[in-house]
Amino acid sequence: DAGVTQSPTHLIKTRGQHVTLRCSPISGHKSVSWYQQVLGQGPQFIFQYYEKEERGRGNFPDRFSARQFPNYSSELNVNALLLGDSALYLCASSPGAGLPEAFFGQGTRLTVV
Amino acid sequence: KQEVTQIPAALSVPEGENLVLNCSFTDSAIYNLQWFRQDPGKGLTSLLLIQSSQREQTSGRLNASLDKSSGRSTLYIAASQPGDSATYLCAVRTGGYNKLIFGAGTRLAVHP
Repeated sequence: DAGVTQSPTHLIKTRGQHVTLRCSPISGHKSVSWYQQVLGQGPQFIFQYYEKEERGRGNFPDRFSARQFPNYSSELNVNALLLGDSALYLCASSPGAGLPEAFFGQGTRLTVV
Repeated sequence: KQEVTQIPAALSVPEGENLVLNCSFTDSAIYNLQWFRQDPGKGLTSLLLIQSSQREQTSGRLNASLDKSSGRSTLYIAASQPGDSATYLCAVRTGGYNKLIFGAGTRLAVHP
């Protein structure tokens, strides 16, 4: 079975631009969560989606948005990029909205210049 | 506000040693705790998940314990190998949805 897949793996953007990151969960998983990991720190929660609805949001500005599609894949969008948005963006999937084990993808490395 | 702390921040040991990584959290009202491994620049690999009602979980050379009342968890690695070199992260789940709160990790180096 394929694990959580994220695309692209690496991305370089200029300040002020927009970026879209994509995530496909493990087959059968209906919940997708997004995390931001700055170098040297643990991941920080951004969003959780379950059954195409937002179920949780972390302390991130409105420039960050996400959505989940009928096939349970997800997109994370970031507008008006800042240098501080440079990070590894991780997607996690789990079977439901509750409290099961989370499985992570390999991440998208975003560099803002 | 839940905070997760991992000690030590970095650890270097010779191959074959048994070692303990520590994780502490400030709010004991957790649903479960998960240990992850992260290789440089890569995603997270789940190692062990301990539910709040459990005291420990084992997988191969790994054993994780949980003392919810004192806000502590330990990850024990037996007979360490160079391939164990990575950053180890612990995370707690406190909300009704799938939000994990992570520590900053312990960077482990096992040298031959």
